[in-house]
Amino acid sequence: QKEVEQNSGPLSVPEGAIASLNCTYSDRGSQSFFWYRQYSGKSPELIMFIYSNGDKEDGRFTAQLNKASQYVSLLIRDSQPSDSATYLCAVNINSGYALNFGKGTSLLVTP
Amino acid sequence: DVKVTQSSRYLVKRTGEKVFLECVQDMDHENMFWYRQDPGLGLRLIYFSYDVKMKEKGDIPEGYSVSREKKERFSLILESASTNQTSMYLCASSLIAGGNNEQFFGPGTRLTVL
Repeated sequence: QKEVEQNSGPLSVPEGAIASLNCTYSDRGSQSFFWYRQYSGKSPELIMFIYSNGDKEDGRFTAQLNKASQYVSLLIRDSQPSDSATYLCAVNINSGYALNFGKGTSLLVTP
Repeated sequence: DVKVTQSSRYLVKRTGEKVFLECVQDMDHENMFWYRQDPGLGLRLIYFSYDVKMKEKGDIPEGYSVSREKKERFSLILESASTNQTSMYLCASSLIAGGNNEQFFGPGTRLTVL
């Protein structure tokens, strides 16, 4: 079974702080990695993706990938209450069609 | 913008009924997917299709079938609905296989089977 693991949370951070969300995966054949945000009652929406080791920044969001350690993380700087949502990590394995999703981490940003 | 639409936001059906969930995407994507999402279980892949009339089983295909007669439309069929199929059903599409294959989701259909 190809696992994608996330801490379910909730992760609570104060407004303005950095939120750090982590994801580990079991299959070394994993090639591309995605972060989705899902508000309660809504469908997942893509935040960003990363393919290469290192950091990728997009506005307040930074994705970090370490293939040797098999983890990918998402940092949210200057967290806002509107960032409160569940964040899903997804992994593509061996350039296939499907993504394996983690169960998500619930983030709560408190004013 | 990619747009993925689903035929219903909310659906209530009786046990034993045949249920059709429709999904349409307007971006000429090759791949389409059906997931169900349940609390504590996350997103689970039911079926996907990488071309017209082509389909592949996902992790939980039992009790479901699919149809893709046109590139833009992917239907999920519950042949005989059961209460354990009460769930949120999400359709997604992606352009190609491989690395750059981010999936775009429809709004979801919350199905209740009584």
